[in-house]
Amino acid sequence: AQTVTQSQPEMSVQEAETVTLSCTYDTSESDYYLFWYKQPPSRQMILVIRQEAYKQQNATENRFSVNFQKAAKSFSLKISDSQLGDAAMYFCAYRRGFTGNQFYFGTGTSLTVIP
Amino acid sequence: GAVVSQHPSWVICKSGTSVKIECRSLDFQATTMFWYRQFPKQSLMLMATSNEGSKATYEQGVEKDKFLINHASLTLSTLTVTSAHPEDSSFYICSAPGQGIYEQYFGPGTRLTVT
Repeated sequence: AQTVTQSQPEMSVQEAETVTLSCTYDTSESDYYLFWYKQPPSRQMILVIRQEAYKQQNATENRFSVNFQKAAKSFSLKISDSQLGDAAMYFCAYRRGFTGNQFYFGTGTSLTVIP
Repeated sequence: GAVVSQHPSWVICKSGTSVKIECRSLDFQATTMFWYRQFPKQSLMLMATSNEGSKATYEQGVEKDKFLINHASLTLSTLTVTSAHPEDSSFYICSAPGQGIYEQYFGPGTRLTVT
């Protein structure tokens, strides 16, 4: 199984400020996909953003963007203009490119947004 | 978007009994489904891959005789926790890949409490 590591169990950010969540992963594969998922208290997993490993350009979705460093196997998530609704658990996830659709999740970061 | 449902959303059972959790793809067919286990404030751990019409593939360390998986149709996978014990209490989440290479639809989860 792939290893995905999130070194920040908890983070907090002031409303309207910017926060960056870290993620590193370990793989020997060249083709894969990386994702950030949000899990609010309802426990429903919500896709935030995704990145294909073969793309050098960092993915962006509105207030969410990533910093993908393939050589360093790093995949951080930046949330700009943080909103109260952003408060949730955030999971970094890895998916193989060639075989299977299994996701391997990091340990999660609990994000608190301070009004 | 596509929807995956789980039933029940919460179940309490006595130690030694078995409990079945259903995962359904409501508006699409899923030849593969995934089962995850999530302990409180922890990550989703992939337990097994459910394959329609064939045996499930279990991750290392997961007892296949304890967690029976059946994928009898293209829209239904079931996870049966046999002879449940309090340590089996957890949140169980299923997911199914969509047609695209990115889509992965998660169910809302089932909370199992074994007394």
